[in-house]
Amino acid sequence: DAGITQSPRHKVTETGTPVTLRCHQTENHRYMYWYRQDPGHGLRLIHYSYGVKDTDKGEVSDGYSVSRSKTEDFLLTLESATSSQTSVYFCAISETGVATNEKLFFGSGTQLSVL
Amino acid sequence: QKEVEQNSGPLSVPEGAIASLNCTYSDRVSQSFFWYRQYSGKSPELIMSIYSNGDKEDGRFTAQLNKASQYVSLLIRDSQPSDSATYLCAVNPGNQFYFGTGTSLTVIP
Repeated sequence: DAGITQSPRHKVTETGTPVTLRCHQTENHRYMYWYRQDPGHGLRLIHYSYGVKDTDKGEVSDGYSVSRSKTEDFLLTLESATSSQTSVYFCAISETGVATNEKLFFGSGTQLSVL
Repeated sequence: QKEVEQNSGPLSVPEGAIASLNCTYSDRVSQSFFWYRQYSGKSPELIMSIYSNGDKEDGRFTAQLNKASQYVSLLIRDSQPSDSATYLCAVNPGNQFYFGTGTSLTVIP
């Protein structure tokens, strides 16, 4: 998975609790992304980062925050988890962002269940 | 209208046949197009990228792009049971990647 590690791989939590997912990369790529994948919706962008401490929102960012204090780590936090955030979360990386010809590579994913 | 449309399938083909997967997109300025393969419970894996009109071949895979008609397709020749997976089409119009919901392919031995 292109030197991308996500943790945890599986998480079950209760509504209202905070949850943090971690993405760690060894490729030294500048850009990192968080996607969620749900049946019927495909992959949707939550947040992305274009450098240390530089982040921006994607199309489904409500209820999520992110932080990037080091090039290799990108954290996704659900401040107060809801059942609608039950999903599979994928981290992805790219070397130079969304320029033409750029490719995305994905981590192995985190299955999150909010009860 | 969704940015990227795919027939969800399932598409079933016999082993050894050609599987044809199609994708249409709405943003005419899109320049980069990708096909990802995703096995059940696994992450998407990039298998093809194409940037110019025409065909691009890589082993048993051929990607075809027609920007005028706004479609991109993936042909899998000599399909194998190991090709059974969901295939995601992705498009980059220059600002972010947009993904289709995927087409489920089953290759029957």
